[in-house]
Amino acid sequence: NAGVTQTPKFQVLKTGQSMTLQCAQDMNHEYMSWYRQDPGMGLRLIHYSVGAGITDQGEVPNGYNVSRSTTEDFPLRLLSAAPSQTSVYFCASRALSRGAFFGQGTRLTVV
Amino acid sequence: GQQLNQSPQSMFIQEGEDVSMNCTSSSIFNTWLWYKQDPGEGPVLLIALYKAGELTSNGRLTAQFGITRKDSFLNISASIPSDVGIYFCAGLEAGGTSYGKLTFGQGTILTVHP
Repeated sequence: NAGVTQTPKFQVLKTGQSMTLQCAQDMNHEYMSWYRQDPGMGLRLIHYSVGAGITDQGEVPNGYNVSRSTTEDFPLRLLSAAPSQTSVYFCASRALSRGAFFGQGTRLTVV
Repeated sequence: GQQLNQSPQSMFIQEGEDVSMNCTSSSIFNTWLWYKQDPGEGPVLLIALYKAGELTSNGRLTAQFGITRKDSFLNISASIPSDVGIYFCAGLEAGGTSYGKLTFGQGTILTVHP
């Protein structure tokens, strides 16, 4: 079982560039979410989705877009990268009311 | 947004010692979860608690869902060097507009000296 797969694992962007972080899960989970992890800040929710076609904002949504066209995929888009978006990004999926399974993370640096 | 207070922030212990950490919230949760994160990896689910008062073990780990549904603790017995990492609590909210959202504590950094 692959579980939750994130790509890429590492990325360096220049300020103003755009990119998409990919996330796929093979557990048929309804709920998927994106978190960013910064030193001393724990895990902060960016966006989440409770099913295909349904997305909503989390705690820190500014600068990020998401879509959920299928149950399996939940990409995160940075439209115009800023140095403040340098972070480690985690995608997670779960069945409703159950524990979340995390991907291995994408380490993003914006210069 | 919802906040979880996790303590302690860090712990430095000797191999063989027991460890205890806890999380508290001002709101009620339906589910409490405990995760461990190794360096360079994503968090891994250790224990899930679904009922108030529930006490669950996973090897040397024991966690409890508080009776008030506003707190949880995690104990690690007889620590070993591979227990090193960051431990996170997480709570699944009970209802309202935030139903289904998972909120994380700030994490407890555990260091085990051989």
